[in-house]
Amino acid sequence: NAGVTQTPKFRVLKTGQSMTLLCAQDMNHEYMYWYRQDPGMGLRLIHYSVGEGTTAKGEVPDGYNVSRLKKQNFLLGLESAAPSQTSVYFCASNRGLDGYTFGSGTRLTVV
Amino acid sequence: KQEVTQIPAALSVPEGENLVLNCSFTDSAIYNLQWFRQDPGKGLTSLLLIQSSQREQTSGRLNASLDKSSGRSTLYIAASQPGDSATYLCAVTGSARQLTFGSGTQLTVLP
Repeated sequence: NAGVTQTPKFRVLKTGQSMTLLCAQDMNHEYMYWYRQDPGMGLRLIHYSVGEGTTAKGEVPDGYNVSRLKKQNFLLGLESAAPSQTSVYFCASNRGLDGYTFGSGTRLTVV
Repeated sequence: KQEVTQIPAALSVPEGENLVLNCSFTDSAIYNLQWFRQDPGKGLTSLLLIQSSQREQTSGRLNASLDKSSGRSTLYIAASQPGDSATYLCAVTGSARQLTFGSGTQLTVLP
């Protein structure tokens, strides 16, 4: 029972490079989320999805794009990485109003 | 905007002690409240989920209470152990169906 799987676990990017973070869940959850965690700022919602083919902006969406082409996958894209996007990124999923299940995180450094 | 506050920010106790972590939130219109544990460099592990209609939930040595009207929750840990050392995060699902986190309490249990 894998739960929520994030890839990659670590990545170093140069400023201006692009990348995609992948989140996969095997629990048939409708809702999926991307958070970033920064020291002193806690966890903040970037984007979320309430079902396949839908996406919505969270608290800090600028500089990120997302896609939910398949129910089990939620992709987070950085088109032109900036040092301010250095963070730990967490994906989560749930059925809507039940508890959240989180992935183990992706540690991203932009130099 | 929902705000979640956790007090204290850090706590150090000797092994075997019972302890209480506090969480408060500004908007009482919540669907549920969830307590998580985060070990250094790791993801979030769900500990307890309390629905808005419930007063408390228990799991092993953990007991979480919810007083929605006053905007407060407590996490009680009985007979603490060094393995309980971690950061404990409180989060609420508000009217926008989004999870808002507190900044956490860093717990150290001394052998």
